[in-house]
Amino acid sequence: AQSVTQPDIHITVSEGASLELRCNYSYGATPYLFWYVQSPGQGLQLLLKYFSGDTLVQGIKGFEAEFKRSQSSFNLRKPSVHWSDAAEYFCAVGSPERDSNYQLIWGAGTKLIIKP
Amino acid sequence: KAGVTQTPRYLIKTRGQQVTLSCSPISGHRSVSWYQQTPGQGLQFLFEYFSETQRNKGNFPGRFSGRQFSNSRSEMNVSTLELGDSALYLCASSLLGGESSYNEQFFGPGTRLTVL
Repeated sequence: AQSVTQPDIHITVSEGASLELRCNYSYGATPYLFWYVQSPGQGLQLLLKYFSGDTLVQGIKGFEAEFKRSQSSFNLRKPSVHWSDAAEYFCAVGSPERDSNYQLIWGAGTKLIIKP
Repeated sequence: KAGVTQTPRYLIKTRGQQVTLSCSPISGHRSVSWYQQTPGQGLQFLFEYFSETQRNKGNFPGRFSGRQFSNSRSEMNVSTLELGDSALYLCASSLLGGESSYNEQFFGPGTRLTVL
């Protein structure tokens, strides 16, 4: 069965420091991969997605993610975090196959805390 | 263009009661999906409606039901509430749903339901 694991429930980073949020997935083929962000009181917003091609994907707000097939990972990175990045981040996996009903499988989320 | 709106934003109910949540999608969007979000569980898919028809359904008991109106607004109903139904219920809209939702699914801020 497909699954998504975000090993870190919370991560604390100093403002200006670099960030890496981990995501591992279990899936038979190459899935579609997504990162969403949920700020307090806001809806989930798509940060970036990977379907195929270049394994380094650029997203909004200065985020990027790298797909590593050998490690079944799709980690999210940002070189320098800002206080406004404090939020919860979700990794999700989708399938191009019709029998998936195109529904995403979601990780449990990682809460990012920014230290001033 | 107005985003996805959900009403009410907060609800407190007691066990055994029923509740109705409302979602207004982005104008022109015909697909509405509902998700349950609980801490540590990520998002669990409830169902998707498209053009007033339920197109997909997740693994939730029959106490969870929904409908969609001709103007694409959707409601979700939970009957005989249980303590475990306490969660954030999210609504997402997209133009056509299905695989296209991978590119353009927009989420509302959610309704926080507390069952006492």
